[in-house]
Amino acid sequence: AQKITQTQPGMFVQEKEAVTLDCTYDTSDPSYGLFWYKQPSSGEMIFLIYQGSYDQQNATEGRYSLNFQKARKSANLVISASQLGDSAMYFCAMPANAGGTSYGKLTFGQGTILTVHP
Amino acid sequence: DTAVSQTPKYLVTQMGNDKSIKCEQNLGHDTMYWYKQDSKKFLKIMFSYNNKELIINETVPNRFSPKSPDKAHLNLHINSLELGDSAVYFCASSQEQGFVSGELFFGEGSRLTVL
Repeated sequence: AQKITQTQPGMFVQEKEAVTLDCTYDTSDPSYGLFWYKQPSSGEMIFLIYQGSYDQQNATEGRYSLNFQKARKSANLVISASQLGDSAMYFCAMPANAGGTSYGKLTFGQGTILTVHP
Repeated sequence: DTAVSQTPKYLVTQMGNDKSIKCEQNLGHDTMYWYKQDSKKFLKIMFSYNNKELIINETVPNRFSPKSPDKAHLNLHINSLELGDSAVYFCASSQEQGFVSGELFFGEGSRLTVL
């Protein structure tokens, strides 16, 4: 079974600086993907970025990028030029069974609360 | 237009009552889900439906009964509410049931408080 671990319960960053949120995973599937979601205090879940295990390059979406290191089984989220609106809970997630048979079952990490200071 | 909408957003009720949460998606997706987020913010899947057919039932007590009248709707009915049912319930949808790269689209969540 897949396992997702986020070891940072909370992180602080100064506005305009970059921050890295850690995520490690464990899976025996040869093909898999990693998602990052943001949950602001208002409660909704917002999709940020996705990385497939066979993607050659690290995924980027605006200020978000994934530092994907397969050998270390890590998929860290890097947020550049932090903004006050980035303060939120961030979740790393993985389909429970990859290869097209996950049936939408995402396994989530424990989450990291990011606080951006002005 | 909200892609995945849930009602109500907040629900406060007494132990033992029965309540329902409704979910609708206008994305044309085939698959819908219910996830539960507990007080420690841990998210876990409860149910998955594909084209009105139950695909995943993640060992949820049978007091929880999902119903999908059509592929755009997935409602959650909870009987005999208990204190431990207090949580935020998220509805979600995806294009395919066996997604790898397609993300889930979440609703805004329904916060249930059982007193």
